[in-house]
Amino acid sequence: AQSVTQPDIHITVSEGASLELRCNYSYGATPYLFWYVQSPGQGLQLLLKYFSGDTLVQGIKGFEAEFKRSQSSFNLRKPSVHWSDAAEYFCAVASADRGSTLGRLYFGRGTQLTVWP
Amino acid sequence: DTGVSQNPRHKITKRGQNVTFRCDPISEHNRLYWYRQTLGQGPEFLTYFQNEAQLEKSRLLSDRFSAERPKGSFSTLEIQRTEQGDSAMYLCASSLKIYRDNNEQYFGPGTRLTVT
Repeated sequence: AQSVTQPDIHITVSEGASLELRCNYSYGATPYLFWYVQSPGQGLQLLLKYFSGDTLVQGIKGFEAEFKRSQSSFNLRKPSVHWSDAAEYFCAVASADRGSTLGRLYFGRGTQLTVWP
Repeated sequence: DTGVSQNPRHKITKRGQNVTFRCDPISEHNRLYWYRQTLGQGPEFLTYFQNEAQLEKSRLLSDRFSAERPKGSFSTLEIQRTEQGDSAMYLCASSLKIYRDNNEQYFGPGTRLTVT
């Protein structure tokens, strides 16, 4: 069965510091992987996605993620964090169903990011 | 493109009452999903539609829950005889599937349900 593990529930970094949020997935086939961000009172916003090809993917707001099949990981990184990045971050994997490339999403429990000024 | 919208944004109800939520997807999107998110957890899949057909339902969707998408556009999620355990954020998402290629899901702001 598909599953996603985000081992860090809460991370605190100083503004300007680098960031890495960890994500491990379990999926039998080629995974379709996503990172979403959720700010208070807001819906989930897609940061980036990996479907195939280059294992380093670039997203919005200066984020990037690297797919490592050997480690079943899809970690999110940002070289310099801004105070506005404080939010909750969710990693997700999509199943393939009914002959479709993407189906339902399986989410991790999220990592809450706090940014110190 | 106005994005996915959900109404109401907040709903407070007493245990035992029925509630109904509405989701309006991005206009050209043919797939619509419902998820539930409880405090401290990631969203969990409830059900999804392709056009007006409900193609999959999670075991989380008890018989007190029913979802419809009558004309393949907006969708409603109804909870009958609400229980305190139903308190959660209910998220709607939509995507565009063309032949085998389904694209990423775009989420609405959610409806926060509190059952007292």
